[in-house]
Amino acid sequence: NAGVMQNPRHLVRRRGQEARLRCSPMKGHSHVYWYRQLPEEGLKFMVYLQKENIIDESGMPKERFSAEFPKEGPSILRIQQVVRGDSAAYFCASSPGLELPDTQYFGPGTRLTVL
Amino acid sequence: GQQVMQIPQYQHVQEGEDFTTYCNSSTTLSNIQWYKQRPGGHPVFLIQLVKSGEVKKQKRLTFQFGEAKKNSSLHITATQTTDVGTYFCAGFSSNDYKLSFGAGTTVTVRA
Repeated sequence: NAGVMQNPRHLVRRRGQEARLRCSPMKGHSHVYWYRQLPEEGLKFMVYLQKENIIDESGMPKERFSAEFPKEGPSILRIQQVVRGDSAAYFCASSPGLELPDTQYFGPGTRLTVL
Repeated sequence: GQQVMQIPQYQHVQEGEDFTTYCNSSTTLSNIQWYKQRPGGHPVFLIQLVKSGEVKKQKRLTFQFGEAKKNSSLHITATQTTDVGTYFCAGFSSNDYKLSFGAGTTVTVRA
């Protein structure tokens, strides 16, 4: 039973480029959450998605950031025109969505470095 | 909005000693979860506390949820080098899906 998978594990981008981060939830999980972690800080909620729906994106910057969770395939967090301040670890978590609150299971993260 | 605070931020422990890390929320929580993150790793779920005053044990780790459901603690006895990492508490407010994480307590162990 594979856990939450994220790729790439490490991503280096130059300022102005686009970053695409992928997350495949655990089998049977239909809820996905994205968090950002800056060095020596806790995780900050960004967005909560169910299949084909964005439920809550209140933690995501209004510009340059977008997320989707299509009917088929992984969830994608997209950052356009990256800036140095976007450098962070981005973690995806999934849950079965059977009840609130759910236990969330985290993937290994994508560490984004913007040069 | 809900804020979750953890103290201390850093804990340097002599191997074999005990220590406690504390978690406080600005609002009442429906439940609280604890995670451990090793250096360079990802948060790993440890435990969930739901009931007021609940106490749960995992080997040398004791987790407690306050009576008012606004605070929690993690106590580790006889610390070992394998306990190194950052311990996060994270809380849900009522019927919410957003985990609010504390900033974590980073534990280092002196052999």
